[in-house]
Amino acid sequence: AQTVTQSQPEMSVQEAETVTLSCTYDTSESDYYLFWYKQPPSRQMILVIRQEAYKQQNATENRFSVNFQKAAKSFSLKISDSQLGDAAMYFCARISGGGADGLTFGKGTHLIIQP
Amino acid sequence: EPEVTQTPSHQVTQMGQEVILRCVPISNHLYFYWYRQILGQKVEFLVSFYNNEISEKSEIFDDQFSVERPDGSNFTLKIRSTKLEDSAMYFCASRGTGGSTEAFFGQGTRLTVV
Repeated sequence: AQTVTQSQPEMSVQEAETVTLSCTYDTSESDYYLFWYKQPPSRQMILVIRQEAYKQQNATENRFSVNFQKAAKSFSLKISDSQLGDAAMYFCARISGGGADGLTFGKGTHLIIQP
Repeated sequence: EPEVTQTPSHQVTQMGQEVILRCVPISNHLYFYWYRQILGQKVEFLVSFYNNEISEKSEIFDDQFSVERPDGSNFTLKIRSTKLEDSAMYFCASRGTGGSTEAFFGQGTRLTVV
């Protein structure tokens, strides 16, 4: 089974500080993609960042970056200069290269931003 | 900006009743999905749909569930006889081709079975 594990149910960070959310995954495939989704209280699913497994370079989107360790099957999300609007549930997810099996999500990390 | 739309936003139904959740995916997308999120839990894959047929389905997607793309624009999820445990947020998503292409999610339909 392809699983995604987020070991931190909840994280708290001071506004303007940096926080790292952990994610590990299990896959037998070589072709897959990884994502971080944000879910605010509205429960809308918003893509934060994505990483293609065949790329060695870590993806970056403004204040969001990942540390992708393929051999360790680790895919952590770093949020720099945390803002109050970053408060949400964050889900790590993977999908196979073909995409037919849909996204497999982790259980999520609830991120709290302390003002 | 194109978006996935879902209706209704909230549906309350009695146990045993049939419900149909509706989604309008982004028009040039080829893959369509339904996901479920029970309150406080993770998002779970239900089914994927491509080329007018089911590509994959999870163990959750049993005979009580069915999907349809009746008119080339709508994508529906039908639950034949709802159970209390079907109460959840249901998300529709669509994407173009290739696993790397972003899956766009609708805003979800909150289903409450009483």
